[in-house]
This record gives sequence, C-alpha cells and structure tokens, in this order.
Amino acid sequence: DTAVSQTPKYLVTQMGNDKSIKCEQNLGHDTMYWYKQDSKKFLKIMFSYNNKELIINETVPNRFSPKSPDKAHLNLHINSLELGDSAVYFCASSQAPTGGSPLHFGNGTRLTVT
Amino acid sequence: AQSVAQPEDQVNVAEGNPLTVKCTYSVSGNPYLFWYVQYPNRGLQFLLKYITGDNLVKGSYGFEAEFNKSQTSFHLKKPSALVSDSALYFCAVRGGFKTIFGAGTRLFVKA
Repeated sequence: DTAVSQTPKYLVTQMGNDKSIKCEQNLGHDTMYWYKQDSKKFLKIMFSYNNKELIINETVPNRFSPKSPDKAHLNLHINSLELGDSAVYFCASSQAPTGGSPLHFGNGTRLTVT
Repeated sequence: AQSVAQPEDQVNVAEGNPLTVKCTYSVSGNPYLFWYVQYPNRGLQFLLKYITGDNLVKGSYGFEAEFNKSQTSFHLKKPSALVSDSALYFCAVRGGFKTIFGAGTRLFVKA
C-alpha cells in the first residue's frame, strides 16, 4: 500500500535514448511534483500539476515533458538523454498546491546515462 | 522569491546528547516551513511543519523545531539523539506553489 510509487527504481541508458518514468499516488492528493536530486543531494523542482493542470514549469530543457493523465498519475518523459541528466528523480504529491500541506515523496528513480 | 539556507553541511553529535540542525529562510508573506529527513536510497519523509501559532512545533520521532520570526530561523532540535537519527535533513519553505529545499545537513550520531 505504498503511498507514492515510482517505476522503475533504476534506469540505465545510453546518450540519445528516450525514456519515461511513471508515478502514481494513492493518497487522493490533488497536486503532484517532479524533483531532481543531483549528486550533491541538492533538490530542484521541475514540474507540478494540480488536478491535471500544469502549475509549475521550471527552467528545464524541453527534452523533459511531464504528462498527467489523471490526478493520481504524473509521468516524466525524457527525450535525447544527455550525460548531465544523470540524477535521482523524485515524484511527490501534496493535498493542495499551496499552504501547509506537506509533500509525500516516492523512493526515487536513479537515472544513469552512459 | 523564497530561499532556504542550511549553514552546516554536517553535524556530529554523541548519542544521548541534544542535537540542533540550523535553518534560516527568506520568503515574502507568511512562511510555511517544513523539515524532512532522507535515509539512504529513500525519498524524503516529512517530520514537522510550522504554519502559525506556537513557535515550538513537535513532530515525528521526538523531533521538534523552533520558529523565530525576528531571526527568520527554523532550527530542528531533539533533546536526546539516537544513532538511528543519522540521516540527511532538509529544511524547506513554501511560497505560492513552490516548495524550495535547503542544501541539506548530514547528521552523524555516534554511539
């Protein structure tokens, strides 16, 4: 009964490939996020959706495209992967997009681009 | 724009001693402040939050945090550290839609 689940856990691929990461939450939350954690553990917001509507779109290369088919799912598709895309990608959800509702994180997808 | 600073990369404390992990923030309007903990190969877990009210907030696993508006600080504390508290701790602030995280502080608790 994992609250926020991401697949796959590990993703190893070559430069130039296209890959997707899937995320699902069973908490009934309205808002979902993608964060990137680099090798120094720094967390950076990438995207956020609220009820399937994009509300945060940070300065991210347009090779990254999120998609939210419904409010329980937020997927991340990455085109033409580059070495610098290697990182851990975390999906998260919160009850609301603002205010005091905390984020609930998945366990991450470790992407390695060779 | 909001920002969060965690001035210490690492905090070392002996088991049984009190611990403090420091955090300062900058945000326009009322701050929504959070602490999260990350264990190896896991996602972040929510510990506690400050929205309004008492300056001392209590959270999970015996942690508490003290909000100080004049110093714009939100330090994480625990009266008696456990070896199992060793992990990476993140302070975060929410302004509008965005939750911004500090760089993290690694806590080592020595037996």
